[in-house]
Amino acid sequence: DIQMTQSPASLSASLDEIVTITCQASQDIGNWLAWYQQKPGKSPQLLIYGATSLADGVPSRFSGSRSGTQYSLKISRLQVEDTGIYYCLQRYSAPYTFGAGTKLELK
Amino acid sequence: QIQLVQSGPELKKPGESVKISCKASGYTFTDYAMHWVKQAPGKGLKWMGWINTYTGKPTYADDFKGRFVFSLEASASTANLQISNLKNEDTATYFCAREYYDGTYPLMDAWGQGASVTVSS
Repeated sequence: DIQMTQSPASLSASLDEIVTITCQASQDIGNWLAWYQQKPGKSPQLLIYGATSLADGVPSRFSGSRSGTQYSLKISRLQVEDTGIYYCLQRYSAPYTFGAGTKLELK
Repeated sequence: QIQLVQSGPELKKPGESVKISCKASGYTFTDYAMHWVKQAPGKGLKWMGWINTYTGKPTYADDFKGRFVFSLEASASTANLQISNLKNEDTATYFCAREYYDGTYPLMDAWGQGASVTVSS
């Protein structure tokens, strides 16, 4: 199975700060990676797919990038509504695997 | 608009069975596959498998082979997850999620609100 190592596990940042979350894949997964945001008691919401494509309705302050087998989610100017838990998901091969999650809080 | 509405919370005893439903609306049900994802309390997300809503063929992740069954009621645009011989570790929220294909990449673009299952004696 492909392992997705996500970091950091938790993060505290200030409003308007730049935030970066990373996922390291255990093998080449090309651009078959998505990012999700989950708020307490809610279902995950798609942010990024294909490693870099912004999902419909997602603010442009979110962006995704790839360098080899390392994937990053960047929030350019952190807003109050961006708090929650973020997960990466590899869709290269089954079983599809999520990262362990990054809990993002406001400082 | 696209909606996936899941059934309500369940409280079951070990050894019992449970059936969770996921009713789709706003699109043609059989055009898009359906995934199932487990989230134990305070834990992360785990992919369980998916079902081809056109053929009805299910595919299970290894950890979900045996006691877990994906099924369809296509005429009702509904996907079901049945878990038999429940164990304490099945206590979780179970999500259904639609598979959309943008022409290049697959994505789980719409999710149900989650169905809570609590297993306790």
